[in-house]
Amino acid sequence: QKEVEQDPGPLSVPEGAIVSLNCTYSNSAFQYFMWYRQYSRKGPELLMYTYSSGNKEDGRFTAQVDKSSKYISLFIRDSQPSDSATYLCAMSAGSGGGADGLTFGKGTHLIIQP
Amino acid sequence: GAVVSQHPSWVICKSGTSVKIECRSLDFQATTMFWYRQFPKQSLMLMATSNEGSKATYEQGVEKDKFLINHASLTLSTLTVTSAHPEDSSFYICSARDRGRLFGPGTRLTVL
Repeated sequence: QKEVEQDPGPLSVPEGAIVSLNCTYSNSAFQYFMWYRQYSRKGPELLMYTYSSGNKEDGRFTAQVDKSSKYISLFIRDSQPSDSATYLCAMSAGSGGGADGLTFGKGTHLIIQP
Repeated sequence: GAVVSQHPSWVICKSGTSVKIECRSLDFQATTMFWYRQFPKQSLMLMATSNEGSKATYEQGVEKDKFLINHASLTLSTLTVTSAHPEDSSFYICSARDRGRLFGPGTRLTVL
């Protein structure tokens, strides 16, 4: 079993729909959870950063972490064609700045249809 | 705001030559930087952790003599791909911590 599982998609939804992206993980030591957006041939852009369980909202984006189920989600409201990209979940046991790197999901390719 | 920059954004070189990629933290200092490699439609793979003033820590399977890392200051880390071969062609991305983990825009290396 891989440490982080993420459906690669592609996930295609109409403009304006609510998008739900998810990752599951197996390492119970993970405490820091991040979502990145990556456009083709670009570096990942940090969207959300959460610690432990709970919800966090930032504009159209909401991140949820359920450590008991080892399941994290990213919701995008009022999706726009410009949201079309690959979304990567990432997590770490440390605060993300120590010797341990991040463990990434493979990324979900999202397509928002105009 | 805090940004991670990389230079060059893309480079093409002949097989057997060496290529240096720079990673800079702007508006913040980074005692630790991370180097990743990403193949098409694949996720990021951590290559090494770069520590300011000390030797880098390489992930299993990454040749330290081939991928030389120097972290000479709190804002600059360099990755040198020595004697590059076509199989080294990839997208190289550096990362540093500010809040969460910030990534550079990446460097696309093509070895002919």
